[in-house]
Amino acid sequence: NAGVTQTPKFQVLKTGQSMTLQCAQDMNHNSMYWYRQDPGMGLRLIYYSASEGTTDKGEVPNGYNVSRLNKREFSLRLESAAPSQTSVYFCASSEGTQSRSEQYFGPGTRLTVT
Amino acid sequence: GENVEQHPSTLSVQEGDSAVIKCTYSDSASNYFPWYKQELGKRPQLIIDIRSNVGEKKDQRIAVTLNKTAKHFSLHITETQPEDSAVYFCAARGYSSASKIIFGSGTRLSIRP
Repeated sequence: NAGVTQTPKFQVLKTGQSMTLQCAQDMNHNSMYWYRQDPGMGLRLIYYSASEGTTDKGEVPNGYNVSRLNKREFSLRLESAAPSQTSVYFCASSEGTQSRSEQYFGPGTRLTVT
Repeated sequence: GENVEQHPSTLSVQEGDSAVIKCTYSDSASNYFPWYKQELGKRPQLIIDIRSNVGEKKDQRIAVTLNKTAKHFSLHITETQPEDSAVYFCAARGYSSASKIIFGSGTRLSIRP
């Protein structure tokens, strides 16, 4: 089991460029999440998908869009990147049930917007 | 909206002493409270969690307590060791298993030899 995988690991964008961060999990989890982590700060929820076919906004959704492509994959898109979006992006998944709620995190994508 | 506050932001303790990190949450319907450890340059990993029907949970040197009335929960690490040095995050989830999970801002714990 690879767990949660993310691509790319590193990315540098110019202001205004667009890109999609990919996330996949092989644990048959229902729920998937996208967080951003700024230096010295906590994890802020961008969007999440409680189950295949649903997506909801988190704490900081502005400037982002998501797609739950299927049960395995949850992508995050930046349509027009801004320097304020420079951050480390973590994808996570969980079984998403009352009894099994542990989140498993991917290795992260370090994004720099110049 | 939901909010989770975490204190202190940094904590330094002598090796062998105990460390306590505290969190408060705003959504009284929250019923799941995990704690994550993040080592430098790595992904967060779950170390312990507690549900709202339990007041305390222990796993070796780590324990978590929950006070639902006051809406706060705490992480206790006893007999600290150098490998405990990391950033610790608390989090809270709403009532439903489909609810979002909101994290605190983190505590950087340093263990002095």
